[in-house]
Amino acid sequence: ETGVTQSPTHLIKTRGQQVTLRCSSQSGHNTVSWYQQALGQGPQFIFQYYREEENGRGNFPPRFSGLQFPNYSSELNVNALELDDSALYLCASSLGVTATNEKLFFGSGTQLSVL
Amino acid sequence: QQQVKQSPQSLIVQKGGISIINCAYENTAFDYFPWYQQFPGKGPALLIAIRPDVSEKKEGRFTISFNKSAKQFSLHIMDSQPGDSATYFCAAYNTNAGKSTFGDGTTLTVKP
Repeated sequence: ETGVTQSPTHLIKTRGQQVTLRCSSQSGHNTVSWYQQALGQGPQFIFQYYREEENGRGNFPPRFSGLQFPNYSSELNVNALELDDSALYLCASSLGVTATNEKLFFGSGTQLSVL
Repeated sequence: QQQVKQSPQSLIVQKGGISIINCAYENTAFDYFPWYQQFPGKGPALLIAIRPDVSEKKEGRFTISFNKSAKQFSLHIMDSQPGDSATYFCAAYNTNAGKSTFGDGTTLTVKP
């Protein structure tokens, strides 16, 4: 186990709703990255937070937003849910933003279904 | 534009055989190449990784071969076991961008 915990494990929402996913990073890790993993595909980078600031973003629209708290836990918020948002959302923590950021420790993910 | 291409999509190997998964990348800014193993219902877990200044890295039954000029790298699993049955992802990390780019994964089935 990595020590990265995500909640909830499963979630069902309807199109147009909003959702908040939560992540507690591994002890000592100050960087959190969020990934979207569609069925049968590899994880796609959404964004990264370092010391409560967004530190890089992938090709996702602004309705995907996040927060990082002083204890380094993080939230992923998705507004105006679309059917294509159905996926496994993975949180990964890492030690820093430079050389030590390369090793990602993933949680088990939140499976989001949008109906 | 897919920056990391992985093949094959699925692989079936007999117990004791060698499993080989290949990846190719395009961006020469990538400077760290990890492989992740993912079991159903779990997140990916770092398995082994290599930097581009090394051509091969071995950890137990797992070996990464890296060809910088061809921009290709591969994972070899020796003496494959049924417990190795999982989905394997190659990835490439760009230190300047601070993010990892993943391949689409290979589902490995090791038959007893």
